[in-house]
Amino acid sequence: KQEVTQIPAALSVPEGENLVLNCSFTDSAIYNLQWFRQDPGKGLTSLLLIQSSQREQTSGRLNASLDKSSGRSTLYIAASQPGDSATYLCAASLYGGATNKLIFGTGTLLAVQP
Amino acid sequence: EAQVTQNPRYLITVTGKKLTVTCSQNMNHEYMSWYRQDPGLGLRQIYYSMNVEVTDKGDVPEGYKVSRKEKRNFPLILESPSPNQTSLYFCASSLSGRVSNEQFFGPGTRLTVL
Repeated sequence: KQEVTQIPAALSVPEGENLVLNCSFTDSAIYNLQWFRQDPGKGLTSLLLIQSSQREQTSGRLNASLDKSSGRSTLYIAASQPGDSATYLCAASLYGGATNKLIFGTGTLLAVQP
Repeated sequence: EAQVTQNPRYLITVTGKKLTVTCSQNMNHEYMSWYRQDPGLGLRQIYYSMNVEVTDKGDVPEGYKVSRKEKRNFPLILESPSPNQTSLYFCASSLSGRVSNEQFFGPGTRLTVL
């Protein structure tokens, strides 16, 4: 059974710092891995989607990497800003699954202090 | 604007009173699904629909019903709500359910069952 874990559960950093959020999964047979941002009252916003054949994806100050062999993905946020404060979720889509079901981690709550 | 909408956003009800949470998407997506989010458990899939008139159970379907009469709508029905269904509910959609595409989420519905 696929399990997705995110460490740390909460993180507080001063503005301007570069930071890394970690996501690990137990079954390397994933189709893709998606990173989301969750803001209170605003649902989930998709940040980056990494297909299993890719090793990383970049969008602005965000860079996500995927290492299937070690069962890990990281989300790198450069030059953090207070507006980056949110909960970050990673989710794995199972390879060969009959549907597009996502297995979610429990998230990392990020607070960027001005 | 491409989006997934849910209504209501907040709902407080009593045990046993039937309710429906609506979900609609304007992206002509085939695949739609419902998740619930609970502290410490993350998001778990309740039901999904591969296309019109095709629905199936996810990981936690007990106490819920769905229907997919039109492509754009996927309502979640609680025939007899109980306090353990107090949760934050998300509707999601993607272009297809057979190929792992990026998923788009609605803003969430916070349900409290007294």
